[in-house]
Amino acid sequence: GEDVEQSLFLSVREGDSSVINCTYTDSSSTYLYWYKQEPGAGLQLLTYIFSNMDMKQDQRLTVLLNKKDKHLSLRIADTQTGDSAIYFCAEFRGRSGTYKYIFGTGTRLKVLA
Amino acid sequence: EAGVTQFPSHSVIEKGQTVTLRCDPISGHDNLYWYRRVMGKEIKFLLHFVKESKQDESGMPNNRFLAERTGGTYSTLKVQPAELEDSGVYFCASSHRTDTDTQYFGPGTRLTVL
Repeated sequence: GEDVEQSLFLSVREGDSSVINCTYTDSSSTYLYWYKQEPGAGLQLLTYIFSNMDMKQDQRLTVLLNKKDKHLSLRIADTQTGDSAIYFCAEFRGRSGTYKYIFGTGTRLKVLA
Repeated sequence: EAGVTQFPSHSVIEKGQTVTLRCDPISGHDNLYWYRRVMGKEIKFLLHFVKESKQDESGMPNNRFLAERTGGTYSTLKVQPAELEDSGVYFCASSHRTDTDTQYFGPGTRLTVL
């Protein structure tokens, strides 16, 4: 099927690390993305990882990719209240004239002060 | 550089009415995409334009939805007649190339059908 799965909710305390998990279905996906949606705002690109990489770090964000298990995770170090948002993972499918993102349901991160 | 813009930001209409959503992509981006998120579910692909041509419209729900991109610049998505299940947030995205370029998303239009 097309499903990209994420847990719906995550709650952490300010200063702790957050880990948001995602499983996807298409082993041929070339890129995997993380987007953030703050209340009332659009989708903001956070980071992405190419499928031949295992890990990518960008300041407080660390993306881990396990291709064998089709598992993607986003770790946010030193989580702040401003990180409260919905986080979407997405796999890019580009073949046979079709180019689109398959999104997960989104994980709502709540950061407690 | 201006990002992807969408208009209106919110629309509330009654069942059976017509609504037209507009998307202005990033200047110079040939590729334009429409997605929607219904009732807190996943964001689903609707269709993809390359310039003024429809590259892929496999995600369009039914023939009540009509997307156009005359001249290959901005795009409109018309819903006629609107049904209750069409309520959701409609996102537009654009990218420069097709196969590897990141898609940049607009703020979305929240459509409520009463």
